[in-house]
Amino acid sequence: GENVGLHLPTLSVQEGDNSIINCAYSNSASDYFIWYKQESGKGPQFIIDIRSNMDKRQGQRVTVLLNKTVKHLSLQIAATQPGDSAVYFCAETSTGGGNKLTFGTGTQLKVEL
Amino acid sequence: GAVVSQHPSRVICKSGTSVKIECRSLDFQATTMFWYRQFPKQSLMLMATSNEGSKATYEQGVEKDKFLINHASLTLSTLTVTSAHPEDSSFYICSAIDRKGANGYTFGSGTRLTVV
Repeated sequence: GENVGLHLPTLSVQEGDNSIINCAYSNSASDYFIWYKQESGKGPQFIIDIRSNMDKRQGQRVTVLLNKTVKHLSLQIAATQPGDSAVYFCAETSTGGGNKLTFGTGTQLKVEL
Repeated sequence: GAVVSQHPSRVICKSGTSVKIECRSLDFQATTMFWYRQFPKQSLMLMATSNEGSKATYEQGVEKDKFLINHASLTLSTLTVTSAHPEDSSFYICSAIDRKGANGYTFGSGTRLTVV
């Protein structure tokens, strides 16, 4: 299958700093991307999504950037808080792909006090 | 918002027995449900796609006779791990999308299966 991978397996940030989590994908047909947060022992929690006709989307304290030219996706978390500590996954799907989501390898975000 | 309820949250079973996991969409009709397996420190791997009223579509390498999926109604899908072995111990997660796709992908809270 197609590979959706992350550059950094672990990211440590100081509380209050901004966090940037990166994701690379290889399926050029991918047209919908989602970032999920997963806490230990729980299911993935939706954070923000973006379609391929956009290159930036903002939510509350989070921003997703999409660079289709280099097939790169990033999640920016502003003013990172201890409650943001979790594993973050990017996921992608493509029109005609049967709505199947393919998940990246994940990044562990650790917020240091 | 859309809610998917997954039960049980934890189950321990003996090797050779079967275990059923339920996934219910509580406030929407789920035309499609997905089943994932997640090993520790790893990503979610899609096992199968389940459409209401039809046979599930399994991903390559997933044994359909071992992981039985039933999607008999628009609000319920079940995954049965048959003749479980210790290597089947994992975190199983379901997700669902509704008919209109308005709520995107809603995930259950997962089931921790331990086979002893």
